Amino acid sequence: DTAVSQTPKYLVTQMGNDKSIKCEQNLGHDTMYWYKQDSKKFLKIMFSYNNKELIINETVPNRFSPKSPDKAHLNLHINSLELGDSAVYFCASSLNDRVTGELFFGEGSRLTVL
Amino acid sequence: SQQGEEDPQALSIQEGENATMNCSYKTSINNLQWYRQNSGRGLVHLILIRSNEREKHSGRLRVTLDTSKKSSSLLITASRAADTASYFCATEHPSYNDMRFGAGTRLTVKP
Repeated sequence: DTAVSQTPKYLVTQMGNDKSIKCEQNLGHDTMYWYKQDSKKFLKIMFSYNNKELIINETVPNRFSPKSPDKAHLNLHINSLELGDSAVYFCASSLNDRVTGELFFGEGSRLTVL
Repeated sequence: SQQGEEDPQALSIQEGENATMNCSYKTSINNLQWYRQNSGRGLVHLILIRSNEREKHSGRLRVTLDTSKKSSSLLITASRAADTASYFCATEHPSYNDMRFGAGTRLTVKP
């Protein structure tokens, strides 16, 4: 059983398109996150949701919009894709919003914008 | 918003040798965690050390934390080829509601 699953694993698209990445966790965790990993492997927090409520929104262009239909799902929608959006996007979850335990990561979604 | 910085950026050793990776951070923390990432995969949690702890062990892993120097080290003893991966430290800052990562240390263990 996959704890945190995200789809698609690979996404290749043209500049200007709109795309979504979906994430689901079956761990019963309260908090979910989106991280972006760039080509230098630097991992940066984008968003954090606790029980469907946005609690962190880092300096991310408003072309990125997270949506949490329920606490087990956190989807990432990206409008008007740009070349610089090419990266690997990781979904993660944790038990509490005050992170005192581990993060569980999905396998990543590699987005390539042409 | 980056918190941890790992050093070295890359490390190459022979199987059986020990590997030491370091992490420095800038502000006070609640805890520090180490994660491993195999190529093309997600990050996997290895070990957590709280700010009031100085050393922790888990199997072949030994983690130290020096809050006065704002640094941590991860030691992998008797390394194996399967330990080849990137290793990241992540810190939980009292004001953040998330874990902040660095860019990792790329470890290569040659058979």
